[in-house]
Amino acid sequence: QQQVKQSPQSLIVQKGGISIINCAYENTAFDYFPWYQQFPGKGPALLIAIRPDVSEKKEGRFTISFNKSAKQFSLHIMDSQPGDSATYFCAPPPMDSNYQLIWGAGTKLIIKP
Amino acid sequence: DTGVSQDPRHKITKRGQNVTFRCDPISEHNRLYWYRQTLGQGPEFLTYFQNEAQLEKSRLLSDRFSAERPKGSFSTLEIQRTEQGDSAMYLCASSSRTQNPGHEGYTFGSGTRLTVV
Repeated sequence: QQQVKQSPQSLIVQKGGISIINCAYENTAFDYFPWYQQFPGKGPALLIAIRPDVSEKKEGRFTISFNKSAKQFSLHIMDSQPGDSATYFCAPPPMDSNYQLIWGAGTKLIIKP
Repeated sequence: DTGVSQDPRHKITKRGQNVTFRCDPISEHNRLYWYRQTLGQGPEFLTYFQNEAQLEKSRLLSDRFSAERPKGSFSTLEIQRTEQGDSAMYLCASSSRTQNPGHEGYTFGSGTRLTVV
């Protein structure tokens, strides 16, 4: 069964610090690696994503890095702000499905002011 | 178009009652999905429509659950004879045919939070 393992389960970071969330996968049949951000009472929203032909993608303070050999991809939030406090999910779509996402367990991020 | 709309936002019901939720997807999106999310967990796939056709149903979708999308636009999710274990956030998402649902076209609504007492 295809799985993704996300860590840590929760993370507290001081304002201005770097938040790092990791996702490891056990199946190579993914070709797209997204991170979703979910605020309380809201649905998840796509934050940033990477394809396996690149090792890193940066959008503002958010960077996603991909390590194909280790089967891992990570989300880095630079200069973390209280407004970044949310739950983050990795959710890659398996290549053999045109509708499914395989969700990680989520990381609850709290940025302390 | 303000995105995917779900109604109601919150529903409290007594065990054994039937409930129905509505989802209005982004108008140009022909694919619609229902997910269930419990506290502290990621969303779990329930079912998927392309236009009015229900193409996939999860084993999580027991006989008490039924979803429809009669005109290929809005969708309803009905739960019959609700149980306390049905308490969860029910999320709807939509995407367009030309885009893989795992990619940019996948947009979630804010969900309906169901509490069964």
